[in-house]
Amino acid sequence: LAKTTQPISMDSYEGQEVNITCSHNNIATNDYITWYQQFPSQGPRFIIQGYKTKVTNEVASLFIPADRKSSTLSLPRVSLSDTAVYYCLVVPNTGTASKLTFGTGTRLQVTL
Amino acid sequence: GAVVSQHPSRVICKSGTSVKIECRSLDFQATTMFWYRQFPKQSLMLMATSNEGSKATYEQGVEKDKFLINHASLTLSTLTVTSAHPEDSSFYICSAFATENYGYTFGSGTRLTVV
Repeated sequence: LAKTTQPISMDSYEGQEVNITCSHNNIATNDYITWYQQFPSQGPRFIIQGYKTKVTNEVASLFIPADRKSSTLSLPRVSLSDTAVYYCLVVPNTGTASKLTFGTGTRLQVTL
Repeated sequence: GAVVSQHPSRVICKSGTSVKIECRSLDFQATTMFWYRQFPKQSLMLMATSNEGSKATYEQGVEKDKFLINHASLTLSTLTVTSAHPEDSSFYICSAFATENYGYTFGSGTRLTVV
């Protein structure tokens, strides 16, 4: 499975846009990039998933360059409630379950 | 969307006793479920893969006789921590794979404290 690398922590003020970049140099052709959010004492929650270019949903955008060796999660106008750990995962799209490897994640702290 | 229910959310047990944690997929069938363990300020570590109707496969370093996994139906997997000790205190999280949309959904986790 492709290993991911992302910053350990980030700080932001409320109302700012936050961009978290993840590198996955060994991503395979059939791998998708998926981001999860985790609050303390809770399980990870799916945020967004993409294969290439740009994906946007109601909570975030995901930017993936043509070589797919990295991706950037963009959180528009963060609030205090966005304080959490964000994990970038490379997920094989094989139609069967695969073991998911969690990296360090990025601990985002949002303050006033 | 897909929902995974994990129970209990927190449990305190005495050293030497066993604890069972349940993981249920509420609105989809999950032939495969995963069990993770997470220590404070650390990432999720995969413990084992649970397949319906067959034996679980464990990651290196995880004692299969200590962490018993049963996946008797397409919607339920259980993890039993046997003869628990304080070092087993951790946050345990399950995940279910939905074949319908190839997605992975996580349970809310179980905080186990062994005293």
